Amino acid sequence: GEDVEQSLFLSVREGDSSVINCTYTDSSSTYLYWYKQEPGAGLQLLTYIFSNMDMKQDQRLTVLLNKKDKHLSLRIADTQTGDSAIYFCAAEDMRFGAGTRLTVKP
Amino acid sequence: DTGVSQNPRHKITKRGQNVTFRCDPISEHNRLYWYRQTLGQGPEFLTYFQNEAQLEKSRLLSDRFSAERPKGSFSTLEIQRTEQGDSAMYLCASSSYRDRINYGYTFGSGTRLTVV
Repeated sequence: GEDVEQSLFLSVREGDSSVINCTYTDSSSTYLYWYKQEPGAGLQLLTYIFSNMDMKQDQRLTVLLNKKDKHLSLRIADTQTGDSAIYFCAAEDMRFGAGTRLTVKP
Repeated sequence: DTGVSQNPRHKITKRGQNVTFRCDPISEHNRLYWYRQTLGQGPEFLTYFQNEAQLEKSRLLSDRFSAERPKGSFSTLEIQRTEQGDSAMYLCASSSYRDRINYGYTFGSGTRLTVV
């Protein structure tokens, strides 16, 4: 199966919170990452979490890690139209799934 | 340092021709990765180098694809006898790997290949 699995689509209204979920298989990872990709661009590192942490907050972004279940989530508070993009999670083996396309409606 | 640089940004080629792409990683990074991305898909891992050594190559990678990193700095990805199915965005990324941890993993903007 896929190294990383995510829901393909998420649609939210501007100002709401977005939660993007990810399950991964690489249990030996020291870090786990979230990347953002806008149309026609490469992947931009958004944030990362050290594997011995449960949570990391970085301005509007909150990352939650459940290492036992190999589940990672990214919460975007006060989602803006500029947050519309594809979001990828990755473990240190740097294998990616299809990503989650976030659409923010005004 | 301006980050990971890829050239060219776009390449249009006729089926059957050979193409070569270049990636210049962040200068202090020892690892370099190549990916291919098609519309609606995530980046598909192709291969990676640590310094000049090619440590892993995807089983899905055709023999028409070859990558080099001769001096452990820039890398080239060559596709021989291109096919229409090779049309994709080719992404390069680099990182500093030490003590079993990957630091500063950074992507370039990619090279978009169109095979006509």
